[in-house]
Amino acid sequence: GDSVTQMEGPVTLSEEAFLTINCTYTATGYPSLFWYVQYPGEGLQLLLKATKADDKGSNKGFEATYRKETTSFHLEKGSVQVSDSAVYFCALRAGANSKLTFGKGITLSVRP
Amino acid sequence: EAQVTQNPRYLITVTGKKLTVTCSQNMNHEYMSWYRQDPGLGLRQIYYSMNVEVTDKGDVPEGYKVSRKEKRNFPLILESPSPNQTSLYFCASSLTGGGGYTFGSGTRLTVV
Repeated sequence: GDSVTQMEGPVTLSEEAFLTINCTYTATGYPSLFWYVQYPGEGLQLLLKATKADDKGSNKGFEATYRKETTSFHLEKGSVQVSDSAVYFCALRAGANSKLTFGKGITLSVRP
Repeated sequence: EAQVTQNPRYLITVTGKKLTVTCSQNMNHEYMSWYRQDPGLGLRQIYYSMNVEVTDKGDVPEGYKVSRKEKRNFPLILESPSPNQTSLYFCASSLTGGGGYTFGSGTRLTVV
């Protein structure tokens, strides 16, 4: 079945550091790929998405590129802020039932 | 404002007492789904619905029921809650065809 693997966390960075969160996937067909963010005490918000190979999703300074050859969708940001502290989930959507399959999430803490 | 509304936000109940968590969306989305979020396990799909009167099991359906009598509403029913159903629950909706989901704010359920 479909699956998403995220790097182990948590991750702690200093403000203005470069961020990379790795995400790889296994899926049949051509899934759509997503990053969701969950701030403390809140629901999940869509951060960015890509629907086909080589697409780059971007939002709020975050970027991720759909790499079919390496089945990856790594999240990057050039300069993190304290306000980026949250849990980040990589996800894919595929199949006739349009199911969204999540990775386990990674907690990012950014210190001033 | 386009949104998914869940109620209640917090609920403490006793084992065996039937409860319903409501979910409503105002975006005319065909697709709706319920997830539960547990530490170390990430988000897992409970049930989903492709349209009115069309529902199907997700990965962890045991102990839950759903119904979809109207397009906007997708309630989650626990007929006889047990402590292992203590979790954070999210309702989500989307258009079919691979787009991102919109999530509700979550319902934190505790079964004692």
